[in-house]
Amino acid sequence: DTGVSQDPRHKITKRGQNVTFRCDPISEHNRLYWYRQTLGQGPEFLTYFQNEAQLEKSRLLSDRFSAERPKGSFSTLEIQRTEQGDSAMYLCASSSLHSGGVQETQYFGPGTRLLVL
Amino acid sequence: GQQLNQSPQSMFIQEGEDVSMNCTSSSIFNTWLWYKQDPGEGPVLLIALYKAGELTSNGRLTAQFGITRKDSFLNISASIPSDVGIYFCAGPGGTSYGKLTFGQGTILTVHP
Repeated sequence: DTGVSQDPRHKITKRGQNVTFRCDPISEHNRLYWYRQTLGQGPEFLTYFQNEAQLEKSRLLSDRFSAERPKGSFSTLEIQRTEQGDSAMYLCASSSLHSGGVQETQYFGPGTRLLVL
Repeated sequence: GQQLNQSPQSMFIQEGEDVSMNCTSSSIFNTWLWYKQDPGEGPVLLIALYKAGELTSNGRLTAQFGITRKDSFLNISASIPSDVGIYFCAGPGGTSYGKLTFGQGTILTVHP
């Protein structure tokens, strides 16, 4: 059983550059979430998908951020024109929503740590 | 929006001691989750609580869902060095089952 995987684990970029992160959820999970975590804080919700549909976006997700899950499996999170304030750990999680509407636990990946210089 | 407040912010204890931490909410939660995060890793679920008053154990860990549904407690008995990490409480955010709202975490340090 493979858990949630994220790639890359670390990314250093210069301000103004674009970056893209990938998340591979647990294979049978239909829900996928993105969170951002800054030092000393808990994860903050960014957006989530059910299958390929993006169902909710936080107001933290500015126009420079875009997330996709084209085939309902892996997801990508792109940040355009990065700013120093984007430096954070970006966490992906997945879960399975059953037909009865009862949601299973969210399982988190190891995260991608982004540093914008 | 919903907020979760954890206390204490940090704890320094000796190996073998028991630990207690809590989480309070500004609004009612129907689920309480406790996660542990090691440095450079994602959070790992420890215990999930689904009913007011529920008391659930996972090894040396015990968590309770407060009867007001606005608080939860996590206890760790006979702490060991590998208990070191950040402990987060979390619950479903707003009307969406999807997103989780997290507390700011309790940093636990265990001295051998």
